[in-house]
Amino acid sequence: KQEVTQIPAALSVPEGENLVLNCSFTDSAIYNLQWFRQDPGKGLTSLLLIQSSQREQTSGRLNASLDKSSGRSTLYIAASQPGDSATYLCAVISGGSNYKLTFGKGTLLTVNP
Amino acid sequence: EAGVAQSPRYKIIEKRQSVAFWCNPISGHATLYWYQQILGQGPKLLIQFQNNGVVDDSQLPKDRFSAERLKGVDSTLKIQPAKLEDSAVYLCASSLTRLANQETQYFGPGTRLLVL
Repeated sequence: KQEVTQIPAALSVPEGENLVLNCSFTDSAIYNLQWFRQDPGKGLTSLLLIQSSQREQTSGRLNASLDKSSGRSTLYIAASQPGDSATYLCAVISGGSNYKLTFGKGTLLTVNP
Repeated sequence: EAGVAQSPRYKIIEKRQSVAFWCNPISGHATLYWYQQILGQGPKLLIQFQNNGVVDDSQLPKDRFSAERLKGVDSTLKIQPAKLEDSAVYLCASSLTRLANQETQYFGPGTRLLVL
């Protein structure tokens, strides 16, 4: 059974700082890994999708890496801004899962002005 | 392109009452998902439809939860009777279901349920 763990559970940083969020998964047989953002009272917004054959994806100030063999992914946020404050969720689609997403519990990020 | 629509946005009920949630996926998306997100947790899949057929309902508490997707478009999720532990956000998502490694799900805003 796939399990996804995210560290840290919460993170508070001053504006402008670069930061890294971590995600690990127990079964390396995945199709892809996604990072989502969730704002309070809102649904999930997909930030980056890394296919199993890829090592990283970039979008603006966001860079996500994937090391499938070790079951790890990181989300790097450069030059953080108060608007980046949200919960960041990592999720994987495992082989034979009918495309089901398995989520971690998320990291609550607060960027202080 | 319109996103995934859900209603109501908020619902407060007493335990043992019934409640229903509605979801309208993105036009043309064959696959529809219902997730339950308890405070402080990641979303957990309750049920997955492919068109109007159920693909996975292994984590749906079938003694109290039911869902349907008539005509392969809109879907409703019902809880009867509700328990205190059902307090959560219920998220609906849809996808085109292309290749597995490209699969992207689009989420609605969710329905926040509080059971008193």
